[in-house]
Amino acid sequence: GEDVEQSLFLSVREGDSSVINCTYTDSSSTYLYWYKQEPGAGLQLLTYIFSNMDMKQDQRLTVLLNKKDKHLSLRIADTQTGDSAIYFCAEDYQGGKLIFGQGTELSVKP
Amino acid sequence: GAVVSQHPSWVICKSGTSVKIECRSLDFQATTMFWYRQFPKQSLMLMATSNEGSKATYEQGVEKDKFLINHASLTLSTLTVTSAHPEDSSFYICSARDVTDTEAFFGQGTRLTVV
Repeated sequence: GEDVEQSLFLSVREGDSSVINCTYTDSSSTYLYWYKQEPGAGLQLLTYIFSNMDMKQDQRLTVLLNKKDKHLSLRIADTQTGDSAIYFCAEDYQGGKLIFGQGTELSVKP
Repeated sequence: GAVVSQHPSWVICKSGTSVKIECRSLDFQATTMFWYRQFPKQSLMLMATSNEGSKATYEQGVEKDKFLINHASLTLSTLTVTSAHPEDSSFYICSARDVTDTEAFFGQGTRLTVV
């Protein structure tokens, strides 16, 4: 079946850049998403990218998409302690369903 | 951006009782809503797709008689966990897509604890 994989943990120092990686299997996905989840809360859409784009930048966030390798990454510049959360990548699948990765727990140390 | 409101945000119920969770799209119409379940420290797993005016489509392994879904209007879908048991304790999250079908907006989630 369809699968989305992420590394589980990432630890960075405040002010550094964070890069969270994701691989997916469904090459027919139209959109790929990055969501942020803080403890006990729902999901917040951070950004998304069309499958025919290579890169999308939105303030501190940069999304890179390598469609050939089915690899998606999220770069957070100047990472702050408030960025500590779990980050999920997701691909859309069959009429609007989202398939999520396991989530990457980002820890930002002061 | 669009808002999806989920209610209640948390609920504790006794084993054997039923619990209803509501998911509303506040400023857009959603012909399709999705229900996900998230266990602690795990990812979101799609449970079912809720279609306005028709029966829900359940993912493999999800008991449709246990997780009743009703999508009576373009702004409201409900998930009822029937005869809840402790193993049903989880975080349930709904999402709705807007008419442009690009973004999926998520509710705040409902923490269900069955005692």
